[in-house]
Amino acid sequence: QVQLQESGPGLVKPSETLSLTCSVSGVSVSSGSYYWTWIRQTPGKGLEWIGYVYNRGSTKYNPSLKSRVTISLDMSKNQFSLKLTSVTAADTALYYCARSGGEFSWFDPWGQGILVTVSS
Amino acid sequence: DFVMTQSPDSLAVSLGERATIDCKSSQSVLYSSNNKNYLAWYQQKPGQPPKLLIYWASTRESGVPDRFSGSGSGTDFTLTISSLQAEDVAVYYCQQYYSSPHTFGQGTRLEIK
Repeated sequence: QVQLQESGPGLVKPSETLSLTCSVSGVSVSSGSYYWTWIRQTPGKGLEWIGYVYNRGSTKYNPSLKSRVTISLDMSKNQFSLKLTSVTAADTALYYCARSGGEFSWFDPWGQGILVTVSS
Repeated sequence: DFVMTQSPDSLAVSLGERATIDCKSSQSVLYSSNNKNYLAWYQQKPGQPPKLLIYWASTRESGVPDRFSGSGSGTDFTLTISSLQAEDVAVYYCQQYYSSPHTFGQGTRLEIK
């Protein structure tokens, strides 16, 4: 059974970098078969795809966030991570990691999510 | 970007009755080379992540009750719950995976009347 679990700080100051990790169990992130994804959810914008990492390190990002986002793999720990720079209050959201079966595929399963608040 | 618009925003249905949620894409998500619609449906209950219900517009995920069904093609899709159960109270989302960035509908809140 594949499971994903997000971790990281729940509070980040404006202009700083948001850093989250997704720990994966039940499958290897280095298998190359899957796209490891970050999605966020806010009351205002709903569900927003942030991007994914695949094929041992290739990435694709939402153009709306591309200049500030980095998603990477840590195969030794079976994890992948999200970094979002220069955060503002608009980046306050529930952040989910999820697995996708390919570049054009659905998301399943999802982690439980982690609430990140941007505030001084 | 593909804009996904769901209707209604909220819906109240009596137990045992049919619930219908619509999703309209701003562009077709039907890929002509394989005749597949790149459209998924998710269910999100309070305090939980979205759960995949349906993919390819009409294929039920394993373990999803058969009262859930998806239909439609091109730009217009429907999620139907044939006989509403109390545990179906949730927010439902459609999502297109035809084009990047992948986009979601705004959600439809389903309640018991």
